[in-house]
Parts: sequence; C-alpha cells; structure tokens
Amino acid sequence: QITLKESGPTLVKPTQTLTLTCTFTGISLINRAVGVGWIRQPPGKALEWLAFIYWDDEKHYSPSLQSRLTITKDASKNQVVLTMANMEPVDTATFYCAHRRSNANFDYWGRGTLVTVSS
Amino acid sequence: EIVLTQSPATLSLSPGERATLSCRASQSVSNYLAWYQQKPGQAPRLLIYDASNRATGIPARFSGSGSGTDFTLTISSLEPEDFASYYCHQRSNWPLTFGGGTKVEIK
Repeated sequence: QITLKESGPTLVKPTQTLTLTCTFTGISLINRAVGVGWIRQPPGKALEWLAFIYWDDEKHYSPSLQSRLTITKDASKNQVVLTMANMEPVDTATFYCAHRRSNANFDYWGRGTLVTVSS
Repeated sequence: EIVLTQSPATLSLSPGERATLSCRASQSVSNYLAWYQQKPGQAPRLLIYDASNRATGIPARFSGSGSGTDFTLTISSLEPEDFASYYCHQRSNWPLTFGGGTKVEIK
C-alpha cells in the first residue's frame, strides 16, 4: 500500500521560508523510475505544480517559482523536502505531495496540508 | 510552458445527464493528458491517463478522448458522487501543468 503524508507548519509569517516534508510508505526513492512531486492549491483555486524529484536526483521546478523553491530527498528516511523562500500571503494554499513514476502520472497523493501566510 | 484551458468553468447538470468537459492545450501534448477528479477537502484522484485510459477502479461511465491539443472528458450519466471539480494535466513537457478546472454542480 502506497501512502504519502505532508507535514510542516500551518502558519508562516511573510518573508519567512516554508519547509514541508513528505513522508511516504510503499515506495522507495532508491528504486528506478520513482519520483515525488509537490503541487499546491490556493483556497478555491486550481492546482499548480511546483517541483519534482526523481530517484536519481534529477529535479524539475516551476519556472515562475524556481528562484524560491528547493526540493531534496532522503531515500533512507523515505522523505522528500520542499522549501519555499520569501513566503507571501498569496502563497497561502494547501500543499500536496504525490508519487509519479517516469512516463506516468501522479497516481498517489497525500491528503494535503494547509499553509497560511499571515503576520 | 504549455497552457491548458478548460471549459466551461462551471457545468450545471442533473443526475443522469451527460457531462462533456473540454481541455485545450496551447501546443501539442500528444496523448500525454490526464484527468483528475477532486471533491472538497480531498486530494485529486486520477481518473483518466494518456487521454483515454481509465485508471484502476474508475467506473466505465468516465471516458476520455482526444489527442494533440483538444481533449474531452465525458461522464455518460452523472451519479450523485460525480459532482465535483475536474482538472486536466499534461506530462508531455516540463514544466508540468494543470488546467484551471471545471466544476460540475447539481442543477
């Protein structure tokens, strides 16, 4: 059974850096073709893909947010970490992590975590 | 970046009716187009992958079609649990992108 779970702060202040952790079971980032990505969704709005990392450490970022994002993995802990710098109120959103294999789609998602940016 | 435009933004229908949702890509994505269903407070669920293949456990009333730049998700006869938001998603090129969504609401 594949599960993913997001964890991190629910409230951050403007200009702070957000750090979110995705902890997963049933998959391993040691295995070829496995990857984990992050997607966010502001309240009442559409999904927006943010970043992705493969088992071999290949990384991809949303061009509009690339300067603020860093994605890393710790395969031994079954975790992927996303940091997003210089948070603003417009970054308030539910953040999801999701599993995706090469040449496939996001098929397993975490339940999401709502992050509010406010002073 | 490939932009996905979904229409309509909202679709008001009654249970038992047919729903037709559209997704148009700003450039060809071949058949690398997926559809997700999302209900309030839940994560998205994969319905259709590679334009026309139903994901595991998805009922046959859901079907997808299209290739290149124009895609359609059809729900042949709406069940009460189908009233939700639907998003298309392309994996043809990085960056990955999602459409703006179509909300299917009860008329």
